[in-house]
Amino acid sequence: RKEVEQDPGPFNVPEGATVAFNCTYSNSASQSFFWYRQDCRKEPKLLMSVYSSGNEDGRFTAQLNRASQYISLLIRDSKLSDSATYLCVVKTANTGNQFYFGTGTSLTVIP
Amino acid sequence: DGGITQSPKYLFRKEGQNVTLSCEQNLNHDAMYWYRQDPGQGLRLIYYSQIVNDFQKGDIAEGYSVSREKKESFPLTVTSAQKNPTAFYLCASSQARGGTPYEQYFGPGTRLTVT
Repeated sequence: RKEVEQDPGPFNVPEGATVAFNCTYSNSASQSFFWYRQDCRKEPKLLMSVYSSGNEDGRFTAQLNRASQYISLLIRDSKLSDSATYLCVVKTANTGNQFYFGTGTSLTVIP
Repeated sequence: DGGITQSPKYLFRKEGQNVTLSCEQNLNHDAMYWYRQDPGQGLRLIYYSQIVNDFQKGDIAEGYSVSREKKESFPLTVTSAQKNPTAFYLCASSQARGGTPYEQYFGPGTRLTVT
């Protein structure tokens, strides 16, 4: 079983739409959670960390459900510039502080 | 400006040659990582190092070697033993304080093509 699983998409949404991505992780000892954004042929860039109480950064909201072992990312009022691949990342201390990456969810925002 | 640099951006080599990819960071981060990304796939961990002079194998270490002689530098050598070396190689670094969430930051990557 993969450490982190994501729906690869693609998600094609119109500008202004709200879109949500989910991600599940297998190791209950995971302690840190992140969403990264990766543009085509570029390096991943940190979008936001995910905290237990949930957190928001502008149009982006991240949620963590430890009981069900899933993480979500909600993007409101989608912009063309949001088109990218979104990577779910989990860090687990009991495996030497390794980071585990999902394969990513592709988002295209259509004019 | 603090950050992570990787060089070169593009690298072409003939099969059978060893090649070393550079990764330098001035963020004063303790931990450094090497990943490989193939088209349509997620990042796979090759090697990581949490302190100087120490490193551990990741999921796909075969055919690769690393060194960590300085905190700022973590070069990766792709040896001729690596069967499919053509890929996008990403270096990352992060703080290594246990128990506290911290993020990984990535360099711009090196695209290696072996023919």
